[in-house]
Amino acid sequence: ELKVEQNPLFLSMQEGKNYTIYCNYSTTSDRLYWYRQDPGKSLESLFVLLSNGAVKQEGRLMASLDTKARLSTLHITAAVHDLSATYFCAVDKNHRDDKIIFGKGTRLHILP
Amino acid sequence: DVKVTQSSRYLVKRTGEKVFLECVQDMDHENMFWYRQDPGLGLRLIYFSYDVKMKEKGDIPEGYSVSREKKERFSLILESASTNQTSMYLCASCLRGRLTDTQYFGPGTRLTVL
Repeated sequence: ELKVEQNPLFLSMQEGKNYTIYCNYSTTSDRLYWYRQDPGKSLESLFVLLSNGAVKQEGRLMASLDTKARLSTLHITAAVHDLSATYFCAVDKNHRDDKIIFGKGTRLHILP
Repeated sequence: DVKVTQSSRYLVKRTGEKVFLECVQDMDHENMFWYRQDPGLGLRLIYFSYDVKMKEKGDIPEGYSVSREKKERFSLILESASTNQTSMYLCASCLRGRLTDTQYFGPGTRLTVL
């Protein structure tokens, strides 16, 4: 059974600092997603990572995927208050359908 | 732009009532999903549909049923609402197959069962 674990689950950090959110998963998969959720809002897609070694960047966020280690990271560079949100990773459950399993989310609070 | 809409943002129902949550997408996606989101538990899949009239149970289908009579519309039904079904319900859709696409989410329905 596929399990997806994120850590940390809560992170409070100062503006201007760098930090990394980790997403580990338990069975082989080569498709991983990152989403952002603002309080009271729905999920917005950030990145789709489709192969080992994939790296994608958007602004101050960079996501990478290591399928051999079953690990994805979401790196935040020089954090700003607007990045405060909950970040979810999700992993393709199997190769037969399009279901994905979500981590519990990392609640990121950036202090001005 | 992909648009996924849900019929209500907030809903308050009483225990035992039958509840319908509607979801409509306008991008001709084959796949549609219903999730519930609870604090500390993330998103959990309730039901999934990959085509009209086709459905599959997700991880927590008990107490729920679904209906997909048209490609663009996917309904979640709580046959007899209970207090433990108080939650945020999110609908999503995506293209079918191993394509370079993501799931697109609706705004969510916050359901309170009293």
